[in-house]
Amino acid sequence: EPEVTQTPSHQVTQMGQEVILRCVPISNHLYFYWYRQILGQKVEFLVSFYNNEISEKSEIFDDQFSVERPDGSNFTLKIRSTKLEDSAMYFCASRKLGPSMGYTFGSGTRLTVV
Amino acid sequence: GQQVMQIPQYQHVQEGEDFTTYCNSSTTLSNIQWYKQRPGGHPVFLIQLVKSGEVKKQKRLTFQFGEAKKNSSLHITATQTTDVGTYFCAGANNAGNMLTFGGGTRLMVKP
Repeated sequence: EPEVTQTPSHQVTQMGQEVILRCVPISNHLYFYWYRQILGQKVEFLVSFYNNEISEKSEIFDDQFSVERPDGSNFTLKIRSTKLEDSAMYFCASRKLGPSMGYTFGSGTRLTVV
Repeated sequence: GQQVMQIPQYQHVQEGEDFTTYCNSSTTLSNIQWYKQRPGGHPVFLIQLVKSGEVKKQKRLTFQFGEAKKNSSLHITATQTTDVGTYFCAGANNAGNMLTFGGGTRLMVKP
């Protein structure tokens, strides 16, 4: 079964450093997303991306965050200057065209900011 | 903004007992989706409900969407240890481009 692939699985970074989380969505999917989950808490929406542009973003997704689809397969989330409160599991997800499709989530990147 | 509440937060059951989790949205939903997350894992899509009053079944799982499209439930009949995990409901906005997750119900099953 096709998978959404995320790398790295775990990233430790110092406060103030930039991090880039990488995702390879399923090849025939057209919508891409980033969600995050602070340990033991709910899954929170960050951003959705379609047709090479952001379609929706949450309040969490401020100027420190950016997304990019640099080529035909990768989808990245960049955090410019990490804060302690950015520590969380970050999930990439993708889905096919059409509103009635479930999301396929990747296995996540655990980001730890120290 | 849209809020999705889910109860209970935790549920311990004996294997073979039934389990239900309830989901309520502050606004009318375009659709509602259910996901299961095993401990240490990622959310896995279970089902989507779109129509008012819709009921769908997957083996021992029954999903309902309320008439007003603001609430939903998941019922598991005769739980098994493999059902262990956190069950999340997630409401979709009209464009379907944003899911608002409930807080999840963590199900623990005693053998």
